[in-house]
Parts: sequence; structure tokens; C-alpha cells
Amino acid sequence: GESVGLHLPTLSVQEGDNSIINCAYSNSASDYFIWYKQESGKGPQFIIDIRSNMDKRQGQRVTVLLNKTVKHLSLQIAATQPGDSAVYFCAEQAGGTSYGKLTFGQGTILTVHP
Amino acid sequence: DAMVIQNPRYQVTQFGKPVTLSCSQTLNHNVMYWYQQKSSQAPKLLFHYYDKDFNNEADTPDNFQSRRPNTSFCFLDIRSPGLGDAAMYLCATSERVARPFFGPGTRLTVL
Repeated sequence: GESVGLHLPTLSVQEGDNSIINCAYSNSASDYFIWYKQESGKGPQFIIDIRSNMDKRQGQRVTVLLNKTVKHLSLQIAATQPGDSAVYFCAEQAGGTSYGKLTFGQGTILTVHP
Repeated sequence: DAMVIQNPRYQVTQFGKPVTLSCSQTLNHNVMYWYQQKSSQAPKLLFHYYDKDFNNEADTPDNFQSRRPNTSFCFLDIRSPGLGDAAMYLCATSERVARPFFGPGTRLTVL
């Protein structure tokens, strides 16, 4: 989808369920990908990252999957908790001299119901 | 704790009145970034400094300027704020190719 808009995709889950948030990225030259969590009124907070030479990476309760063939990234959150409610952004970084310059996806609003 | 600090957290200015937002870091990172995030949108990079080298994004309006007097501090100057400049302004820092670490943001309101 487009990255500009007033209505972010939403995902609503029950506490304890697993959540899957998807992201399509645009630049086939991107070699580094990050998921950020952003709570209302705060800056983005790092969750997990993955480089393009990997297709899966696991953290604590989170897993990121990368499919370079279709330029798709997903974030899986196990046993989702109310504190996980936030907006989740994927971000891509091109290689070379791009330093930490990131291009963000549109974001997904995750709501976790107790 | 090492961190990125933004001041003020909330800034109100009048249409056309210059405003400066401040960012400081204790991480000693050599790259500092300014992102603009409008309501319900993703952050968008305005510019960044790699040490003292300034790098402007092609579509960043001339109305936005930045200064980095030393490693720790970076400022965002908006010369003539318009209503469309109301947004959250996020400062971030990183080592050269590492992931950026974001500050809490400054929410700018333009009256």
C-alpha cells in the first residue's frame, strides 16, 4: 500500500494470542531492516532487526521473517500483551553510503484486548 | 543512562514565527538525523549530519535548516513555520552504519 495516508492498517487481538504484522518494502537494494514500536507521544523504539543475508531472526517473544523474493517483511509477536499495544513500523536501509538513513513503511496499529 | 534528549517536548509557535528545536545526545554517535512525523504517518527523513557533513534530503523544503555545533548537539530551525509544518519532530543518532536510536520527539503546534 501507499505510505501516505490518514488511516493506518489496524490489527486487533486478544491478550495471549500471537500477532503477525506485515510490511512490504520498496527498494530491492535495501540490505538492513528494522522493526520499531511507537507508543503514543513517544519516539520509535527498536524491537528487532535483520540483515538481507538472513531470512529469520528471533528475539524475546518476537520473530522477524524476511522474504526478499517478494520484498516482504513480517513481525511475529508471541503471547501478545496489553503493553504491546502501539503503532509498529518497519524500516529499510539501503546499503553503501546510506549510513543509518531509514525509509519507513506506513505502520500498523496493534490493539491488544485484555 | 546514555540517551537522546529533545527539548522542548512541546512547542507552540505562530504562523511565520521562526522556531528552533534542540537535540542532544550522550551516546557520542557520529551521525545525527532529523525526521518529521505528521499525524498518522510514518517518520520522514529531513536531513542528517555525518560528523560535520550536512546531508539534505532532496525533497526537504528550504524552510527547514539544521546546525550541529558539536558532536553532542543538533538543532532544527524552521524559518517561517506554516500550518502544514505542525508535526512531531524526531531526532535520532547512530554510529555510521548502525541502527538509529530515537529521542522522544518534539511536538510542534503552529497557530
